[in-house]
Amino acid sequence: NAGVTQTPKFQVLKTGQSMTLQCAQDMNHNSMYWYRQDPGMGLRLIYYSASEGTTDKGEVPNGYNVSRLNKREFSLRLESAAPSQTSVYFCASSEIAVNTGELFFGEGSRLTVL
Amino acid sequence: EDQVTQSPEALRLQEGESSSLNCSYTVSGLRGLFWYRQDPGKGPEFLFTLYSAGEEKEKERLKATLTKKESFLHITAPKPEDSATYLCAVPTIQGAQKLVFGQGTRLTINP
Repeated sequence: NAGVTQTPKFQVLKTGQSMTLQCAQDMNHNSMYWYRQDPGMGLRLIYYSASEGTTDKGEVPNGYNVSRLNKREFSLRLESAAPSQTSVYFCASSEIAVNTGELFFGEGSRLTVL
Repeated sequence: EDQVTQSPEALRLQEGESSSLNCSYTVSGLRGLFWYRQDPGKGPEFLFTLYSAGEEKEKERLKATLTKKESFLHITAPKPEDSATYLCAVPTIQGAQKLVFGQGTRLTINP
């Protein structure tokens, strides 16, 4: 049982390049999330998808787009990468049951933008 | 604005030396407070949910407590394997789908 799988684990980009971070979960969860984690800033929500077919902005959505491809997969796209997007990106999923706080996280994708 | 602040930023203890981590929050109408553990190079792992002041949850050497303004994660007789960053989070007013995380406390237990 893999849980939440993210690819790639590491990526180096040049300013202005584009890329997509992939995320898949095998727990049949309805909700999926993308967070970024920066030193001293904690985890910040970029986008989330409460259920298949819906997406909503989080705290820091600028410069990103998302696609909920199906119930299992939720991708994050950087159209024109900037050095400020250097970060560790985490995908997470949860059952739609609200207020339990139990998110299941992937192992992260470490992105460096030069 | 919903806010979560954790202290201290980092804490070093000797094996067996008990201590507490603090998570203070300002949120309109608390709908739960959540603790996570994060090992280096890994994603956070869920530990506890607390819903109301006075509630306590325990797991091995960890005990989480909640008051109206803060939560404590008490660690009793810690072992080196308890070394990790501990994060707390609360749902924002927009709903449980949006969590606000604190910056974390990096805990190191020396043998």
